[in-house]
Amino acid sequence: GESVGLHLPTLSVQEGDNSIINCAYSNSASDYFIWYKQESGKGPQFIIDIRSNMDKRQGQRVTVLLNKTVKHLSLQIAATQPGDSAVYFCAERGAQIGGSQGNLIFGKGTKLSVKP
Amino acid sequence: DTEVTQTPKHLVMGMTNKKSLKCEQHMGHRAMYWYKQKAKKPPELMFVYSYEKLSINESVPSRFSPECPNSSLLNLHLHALQPEDSALYLCATSRGLRAYEQFFGPGTRLTVL
Repeated sequence: GESVGLHLPTLSVQEGDNSIINCAYSNSASDYFIWYKQESGKGPQFIIDIRSNMDKRQGQRVTVLLNKTVKHLSLQIAATQPGDSAVYFCAERGAQIGGSQGNLIFGKGTKLSVKP
Repeated sequence: DTEVTQTPKHLVMGMTNKKSLKCEQHMGHRAMYWYKQKAKKPPELMFVYSYEKLSINESVPSRFSPECPNSSLLNLHLHALQPEDSALYLCATSRGLRAYEQFFGPGTRLTVL
């Protein structure tokens, strides 16, 4: 079945360093891959998405890389700040049924801790 | 207004109680979602409403009953819950064409005794 998973449950980085959060997925048919950030006590917040026909997309301080050969997705955060501390979930858009948009399937999450 | 609000923030209920969770949005989004999130786990989809009609029910037990009274409101009615239903219940919305970009509320922390 469809599944999205994470390689590491926790990641600790020094403030100012770059962070890389990894994710493996299994459904080759997914057309969008997405990263969400969930801070403590809050709901997930959309960060960035990448379409399956792309291999790289950049946002503000974040870059998402997609390697379809090995079904691997990563999120790079440049100059990590204390405000980046959160749980990061990768997600994929699941199977689309009829004319409806597919729904999100979340991976397990990586907790990022930023040391001052 | 770019917020999704949820009430109450916390709810403690017994297994025989009936309660409701509420979600409200004023972004004009026509897709609304209920997710369940256990501690240290990812959100799991429960229900999807599209244009106020239930389009997806992910095999959720009947003790959870969703309702969408209008395009701004989404309710989740709870009855005869079990302790294992204790979780964070998240509401989310999205625009039709970008259903993968969802806007989440802060959630309701539910404890079933």
